[in-house]
Amino acid sequence: EADIYQTPRYLVIGTGKKITLECSQTMGHDKMYWYQQDPGMELHLIHYSYGVNSTEKGDLSSESTVSRIRTEHFPLTLESARPSHTSQYLCASRNREGLPGNTIYFGEGSWLTVV
Amino acid sequence: GIQVEQSPPDLILQEGANSTLRCNFSDSVNNLQWFHQNPWGQLINLFYIPSGTKQNGRLSATTVATERYSLLYISSSQTTDSGVYFCAVGIGANSKLTFGKGITLSVRP
Repeated sequence: EADIYQTPRYLVIGTGKKITLECSQTMGHDKMYWYQQDPGMELHLIHYSYGVNSTEKGDLSSESTVSRIRTEHFPLTLESARPSHTSQYLCASRNREGLPGNTIYFGEGSWLTVV
Repeated sequence: GIQVEQSPPDLILQEGANSTLRCNFSDSVNNLQWFHQNPWGQLINLFYIPSGTKQNGRLSATTVATERYSLLYISSSQTTDSGVYFCAVGIGANSKLTFGKGITLSVRP
């Protein structure tokens, strides 16, 4: 059972609003990820972190930003939401190579709709 | 970057049937995982299998790393097996996972 949590699960907001999607894991994992997935499509990596104060952009360009001040917390922020940001956002985490728990675990996802 | 191809893209089964889902990848990997995404969007890890064979109940998986493919076997399928199955691979010590486009499985009662 994975201990990784995302809030909110569902969010409908207006264009131009600032939003933060929360992601927390209680497994002590170093690596955390944000993926974006449109309905029926594949997952695209938008941000990742290998530890506290480490953040990198992923393969898919995104206007969102992330921070990693604590090991267990990896929030994603959109300063000014647009309809093109409507999607599902999935947070994930895993441990360092060679340590138990090298599998990646996903949260339940946050469905964002921008109107 | 690495390419991941899954086949077939869609699969419809009658309950009780067996199936094989395939994942081909374009480079040597040190991380390969199979996931099931349920209708509510949650991804459940099925197998961490960069090489070899594993079994978990009615599911089993085999990865032949030298030939760059992995297979997921579902036996005696049930309606709860419906959903999308993703293969994801990674390269290197700090490997990010690259996902295939998924296989949509529908199991009919």
